[in-house]
Amino acid sequence: EAQVTQNPRYLITVTGKKLTVTCSQNMNHEYMSWYRQDPGLGLRQIYYSMNVEVTDKGDVPEGYKVSRKEKRNFPLILESPSPNQTSLYFCASSLGTLGPNTEAFFGQGTRLTVV
Amino acid sequence: KNQVEQSPQSLIILEGKNCTLQCNYTVSPFSNLRWYKQDTGRGPVSLTIMTFSENTKSNGRYTATLDADTKQSSLHITASQLSDSASYICVVRSNTGKLIFGQGTTLQVKP
Repeated sequence: EAQVTQNPRYLITVTGKKLTVTCSQNMNHEYMSWYRQDPGLGLRQIYYSMNVEVTDKGDVPEGYKVSRKEKRNFPLILESPSPNQTSLYFCASSLGTLGPNTEAFFGQGTRLTVV
Repeated sequence: KNQVEQSPQSLIILEGKNCTLQCNYTVSPFSNLRWYKQDTGRGPVSLTIMTFSENTKSNGRYTATLDADTKQSSLHITASQLSDSASYICVVRSNTGKLIFGQGTTLQVKP
């Protein structure tokens, strides 16, 4: 089954404790991205990757890092989490970035709470 | 500034009734417009994708319309069911590939 898998689904952590949220897709997609979703703000892009070893900042990259060493994996790293990073995070992947048929598939989400 | 605005912010309807959700955008240049359904605590799932040359597209009881001249889209839900309770997100893809998300409309269908 084609899917995007995020782990963990829920995470409570303390300020300053490094954490990683994993994302894996089994569709051989080139394009992967991370979003955060906050009430009243919709989804905002954090980082994206056009392909292996190619990453770039989205709209709200501060406080986050990513890596794309393999095509299927795109982990999101919070080196020193702060309470304002408490949010619902989604990973998404698509075959490419352009065209009406480049459907974006979303993971199930990771609810992160930083206390 | 590229923006996507949705209305209403929330909506409550009775089971079996129809409803229409609105989306206005200022994204230019424009590649395509998508409507997603997001159940509580889950990731968005695509309902329809339309290019600028398409005026309407249906997916079961969901019908999306697009007026590229006025930069407006609507999602019409026919004969609503309890399982339609969710957030509906309008997403516009620019020609650069960037996805711009609306804030979503939260629909609640009551029995």
